[in-house]
Amino acid sequence: IAGITQAPTSQILAAGRRMTLRCTQDMRHNAMYWYRQDLGLGLRLIHYSNTAGTTGKGEVPDGYSVSRANTDDFPLTLASAVPSQTSVYFCASSRRDGPPDTQYFGPGTRLTVL
Amino acid sequence: GQNIDQPTEMTATEGAIVQINCTYQTSGFNGLFWYQQHAGEAPTFLSYNVLDGLEEKGRFSSFLSRSKGYSYLLLKELQMKDSASYLCLLVDSNYQLIWGAGTKLIIKP
Repeated sequence: IAGITQAPTSQILAAGRRMTLRCTQDMRHNAMYWYRQDLGLGLRLIHYSNTAGTTGKGEVPDGYSVSRANTDDFPLTLASAVPSQTSVYFCASSRRDGPPDTQYFGPGTRLTVL
Repeated sequence: GQNIDQPTEMTATEGAIVQINCTYQTSGFNGLFWYQQHAGEAPTFLSYNVLDGLEEKGRFSSFLSRSKGYSYLLLKELQMKDSASYLCLLVDSNYQLIWGAGTKLIIKP
């Protein structure tokens, strides 16, 4: 693995189903983020984690949950998917050594909820 | 409140220069980033400004004026591959991340 990876690449999901989007980084970055990107709205932060074992809510956390059991992995779970969660989801990471730091993004997951 | 504004779309000609503006309002400031995002791809880092002035990096430069709440990204010698969206990201005094909606840049031959 080099950098940050996401799985699946794309998914079509029936409403009401549970779905976990996976994110793994091998850069030993402390901070990780989940964003959704919708046309015309830009990137919106869903949840973040400043370090393993801690998580925080972003701008649009409702309907989503995350966990950070270790440094490398930061899965995003939709407990019961709804059509409004159709979006492109990006995972990102940064060193977060103190000053604001560059974020490195995964390739994204395109999720369609029907 | 806090907000950040960028033009939705801009068009420029190959070989020319284009300036993409980003204006913001915030109670505190810890830096401003510019990212490039090609269609269907992830954003990638272009530049970071925390002090006033111009940061030059090859064909791309970024300028910041904290007193005016203003930044711009300057792209010189435009190439077709520069067709992309350009995202402005503000980091406030609480390290909250505030993203602009992005500017779609269309390059014409």
